[in-house]
Amino acid sequence: QSVLTQPPSVSAAPGQKVTISCSGSSSNIGNNYVSWYQQLPGTAPKLLIYDNNKRPSGIPDRFSGSKSGTSATLGITGLQTGDEADYYCGTWDSSLRGVFGGGTKLTVL
Amino acid sequence: EVQLVESGGGLVQPGRSLRLSCAASGFTFDDYAMHWVRQAPGKGLEWVSGISWNSGSIGYADSVKGRFTISRDNAKNSLYLQMNSLRAEDTALYYCAKGKIRWLQSNWFDPWGQGTLVTVSS
Repeated sequence: QSVLTQPPSVSAAPGQKVTISCSGSSSNIGNNYVSWYQQLPGTAPKLLIYDNNKRPSGIPDRFSGSKSGTSATLGITGLQTGDEADYYCGTWDSSLRGVFGGGTKLTVL
Repeated sequence: EVQLVESGGGLVQPGRSLRLSCAASGFTFDDYAMHWVRQAPGKGLEWVSGISWNSGSIGYADSVKGRFTISRDNAKNSLYLQMNSLRAEDTALYYCAKGKIRWLQSNWFDPWGQGTLVTVSS
């Protein structure tokens, strides 16, 4: 059971937009920045969004992040087949540990 | 280029020990906290442990507390995870990841190594 809650799967057609939610509590998301990771099949996780809505160098602006209260959302526009991956949200918890969501599998139909 | 390379994984019997290593390069190692994150086969990410830049602050997941010990050698740009009393549920791909800043608390991890597989089975 993951500390942060994500939907197990989402899907959309190429070119469309999709959002992935991440729900936590006041001990984690409510009082810390949220990050998002993309894990392509067979590869290590890659930082996609940090500090709620910032993109590391090289991440296209098709990817966006937002946070409100104890929830966060990852948005992906202009979906491409290459975006098919598992997406994880993460943050720090007041219990002095890192926490992640259970992951969301994105299928581009 | 920042690079993290894990090693030390393998097949080990329940109750035995294993020591993982992570060799870092491409950045000033002792300017950052470092973390271990694991992923059981077909499952999600689980933060395992973290250590601040000077080893002054250390944290563990409840699932490994008392069995695993994290350490670092800044002179060798290396991170370690000593795993004792291993259980079947410790079977996972173990990733080394660089923290956000010097201190233990990290809202994000970047980059990640390619991982080293630990299999606990008799």
